[in-house]
Amino acid sequence: EAQLLESGGGLVHPGGSLRLSCSASGFTFSANTMAWVRQAPGKGPEWVSEISGSGRSAYYADSVKGRFTTSRDNSKNTLFLQMSSLRDEDTAIYYCAKEYGSLFDLWGRGTLVIVSA
Amino acid sequence: DIQMTQSPSTLSASIGGRVTITCRASQSITTFLAWYQQKPGKAPKLLIYRASKLQSGVSSRFSGSGSGTEFTLTISSMQPDDFATYYCQQYTSSPLTFGGGTKVEIK
Repeated sequence: EAQLLESGGGLVHPGGSLRLSCSASGFTFSANTMAWVRQAPGKGPEWVSEISGSGRSAYYADSVKGRFTTSRDNSKNTLFLQMSSLRDEDTAIYYCAKEYGSLFDLWGRGTLVIVSA
Repeated sequence: DIQMTQSPSTLSASIGGRVTITCRASQSITTFLAWYQQKPGKAPKLLIYRASKLQSGVSSRFSGSGSGTEFTLTISSMQPDDFATYYCQQYTSSPLTFGGGTKVEIK
């Protein structure tokens, strides 16, 4: 069964950094574009970033560009999101998702990031 | 960015009742529209893609229609498991964007 499991969330002060991880299993990880999608409390999901299967190309939402970096280790079936210069508005549940034709057909359970002083 | 607007934001429905949710795009997205279901504490689940195509394993109670800028999700006969929040998503251009959601509650 295909699964995604995020980790690394927590409480961080504004301006701080955090690194999220997503462990994948049950499918050919390296063949798939992967994404990070976040959801602030009471809001709809927001696409944050995506990375090609090879890892050579990554794209970001304007709201995080220059502050977040997405990478992957295909040898370990793991996706990463390095977040820096965190702001209050980055508070959200962060989901790792498998993309299929710009659709999100497999999601993890999510990891909560709280940015607060 | 393409803005996605859903209506209503909340609706009450009875078991066995028919539910219709609307999603409007700020510009034409042809039929590159998906619907997701989300239950409390869970991740969204893909229900419909390309405006009207049912994802594998999804009940035929769910159907989608529309093109251009206006779309609908219909649940033909509400079941207890269908009470959830529903989101639309456009995937015609980057950034991929979602609607604000429609919460379907029990009447």
